[in-house]
Amino acid sequence: NAGVTQTPKFQVLKTGQSMTLQCAQDMNHNSMYWYRQDPGMGLRLIYYSASEGTTDKGEVPNGYNVSRLNKREFSLRLESAAPSQTSVYFCASSVGTPYTGELFFGEGSRLTVL
Amino acid sequence: GIQVEQSPPDLILQEGANSTLRCNFSDSVNNLQWFHQNPWGQLINLFYIPSGTKQNGRLSATTVATERYSLLYISSSQTTDSGVYFCAPLNDYKLSFGAGTTVTVRA
Repeated sequence: NAGVTQTPKFQVLKTGQSMTLQCAQDMNHNSMYWYRQDPGMGLRLIYYSASEGTTDKGEVPNGYNVSRLNKREFSLRLESAAPSQTSVYFCASSVGTPYTGELFFGEGSRLTVL
Repeated sequence: GIQVEQSPPDLILQEGANSTLRCNFSDSVNNLQWFHQNPWGQLINLFYIPSGTKQNGRLSATTVATERYSLLYISSSQTTDSGVYFCAPLNDYKLSFGAGTTVTVRA
């Protein structure tokens, strides 16, 4: 029972490089989310998706793109990484419409941009 | 947006002690969740508690939405309880995380 799986767990990028964080859940959840966690800032929502094919901006969407490939998968892309995007990224999912149920998190992806 | 204040910011406990963590929020909420982030960074959902009281083993939580606060009780603390505890109230379809309470349980 994997729950929410994120890859990669660690990544180091140079400024200007691009990369995609992958997330998949096996709980048949409708809603999925991407958060970033920075020291002293708590968790902040980047994007979320209420269902396959739909995405919406969260609190800090600038510099990111997302894709809800199907019900299971929700990817986060950095087109041109910047040092300010150094963070720990968490994917999460919940059953039903956004935030109507418990949030389940992946293990996180630690990204460093040099 | 809603303001979330957690107290205390840091808590050091001797194994076996009890403690109460508090979460105050500035506006009405639709629901509230408590999470535990362990020392390895993993975030675990503890409670989904828009109102009332719930218990799960040695942990329990109470939310009094009309008075805009929630409490998390840890009884007979164990070293595995160490980590950061976050509350996250939902207001206007936005989940806002508090800054967390860092709990250290010493053997």
